[in-house]
Amino acid sequence: LAKTTQPISMDSYEGQEVNITCSHNNIATNDYITWYQQFPSQGPRFIIQGYKTKVTNEVASLFIPADRKSSTLSLPRVSLSDTAVYYCLVGDNRAGTALIFGKGTTLSVSS
Amino acid sequence: SQTIHQWPATLVQPVGSPLSLECTVEGTSNPNLYWYRQAAGRGLQLLFYSVGIGQISSEVPQNLSASRPQDRQFILSSKKLLLSDSGFYLCAWRTGKFEAFFGQGTRLTVV
Repeated sequence: LAKTTQPISMDSYEGQEVNITCSHNNIATNDYITWYQQFPSQGPRFIIQGYKTKVTNEVASLFIPADRKSSTLSLPRVSLSDTAVYYCLVGDNRAGTALIFGKGTTLSVSS
Repeated sequence: SQTIHQWPATLVQPVGSPLSLECTVEGTSNPNLYWYRQAAGRGLQLLFYSVGIGQISSEVPQNLSASRPQDRQFILSSKKLLLSDSGFYLCAWRTGKFEAFFGQGTRLTVV
């Protein structure tokens, strides 16, 4: 898995858009970028995955520039319930590989 | 649909006592299985992962061991618990795709 760097924490207010950037300078050709969300006392939950350009689902958008050395998770109009830890993982999709989480970004949303 | 069962939800054990946590997956075959530990206020630490029956990879040498006696069963054990073994233990599975699915976790307190 490629090493990733994310901000330790971020603060936001309800209704704002939140962008969390992850750096992964040594990403390999076969690697995908995957984001997870974790609430206290729960296991992480898959949010979104992408390889290049932009991916959007009902929860978030993922922006990946052409060089793929970074990615940005965008959460539109956050609410208090979006307060959680967000993890960026970079690796290939093949089975049989370790799944290693970094420290993640703790997002705190206030009213 | 696939489901993952992990038990017990909470456990209080004295120092020096043995430990056995069990995780089972339904609705899929030949999954990759993972054990993680999360200490209070810390990130997810990968302890063990398995790509098949009897195949265990250890990420961090410590007081714990893992076994996979059946395709969809993953067991985390210790012969003698230490205070430092306290934490939130999570089991996860995935097949092929990078998306992993987590169990509800076991909160272990060693006293």
